[in-house]
Amino acid sequence: AQKITQTQPGMFVQEKEAVTLDCTYDTSDQSYGLFWYKQPSSGEMIFLIYQGSYDEQNATEGRYSLNFQKARKSANLVISASQLGDSAMYFCAMRGRHNQGGKLIFGQGTELSVKP
Amino acid sequence: EAGVAQSPRYKIIEKRQSVAFWCNPISGHATLYWYQQILGQGPKLLIQFQNNGVVDDSQLPKDRFSAERLKGVDSTLKIQPAKLEDSAVYLCASSLGSGARGNTIYFGEGSWLTVV
Repeated sequence: AQKITQTQPGMFVQEKEAVTLDCTYDTSDQSYGLFWYKQPSSGEMIFLIYQGSYDEQNATEGRYSLNFQKARKSANLVISASQLGDSAMYFCAMRGRHNQGGKLIFGQGTELSVKP
Repeated sequence: EAGVAQSPRYKIIEKRQSVAFWCNPISGHATLYWYQQILGQGPKLLIQFQNNGVVDDSQLPKDRFSAERLKGVDSTLKIQPAKLEDSAVYLCASSLGSGARGNTIYFGEGSWLTVV
């Protein structure tokens, strides 16, 4: 069975500093995709970054990068130069059967608070 | 490009009443998902459609929940009769369903349900 684990219920970071949000996963699929989403208090799930299991390089999208360590089954999100608007819930998610429309399963989330 | 549209945004009903939520996915997206997110938890997949066919409804409480996607575009999710534990955010999402970027799943703003 597939599983996503986020062990940090809450995190604090000072504005302009970098922060790492942890995510580990478990799957028997050889091909899968890993996602990070941001959920502000308004409720919308905002897509941040995607990493395919066969991608050799870590994904980056602006201030977001994904530290992908396949052997350790971890996919940590790194946010550089934190901003006050980054305060939100962050969810790690995994989709099996890469390119074949497998369902997305989520972790429990990490609440990030950015301090001025 | 228009995002995933959902309505209503907020709904308060009494237990044993019925409620329906509507979703219009991103144009051209073949795959549509309904997720349930209880406060403090990650989203849980209720049902996944590929065009107008059901791919996965293993976690849909079929005695009270139903969903349809006629003509492979819009979808409705119905709850009848509602229970207190159905209080949650109902998130609709869509994806192209194939290809590296097509694997990205985009979410709507959600429909917040409170059952009293």
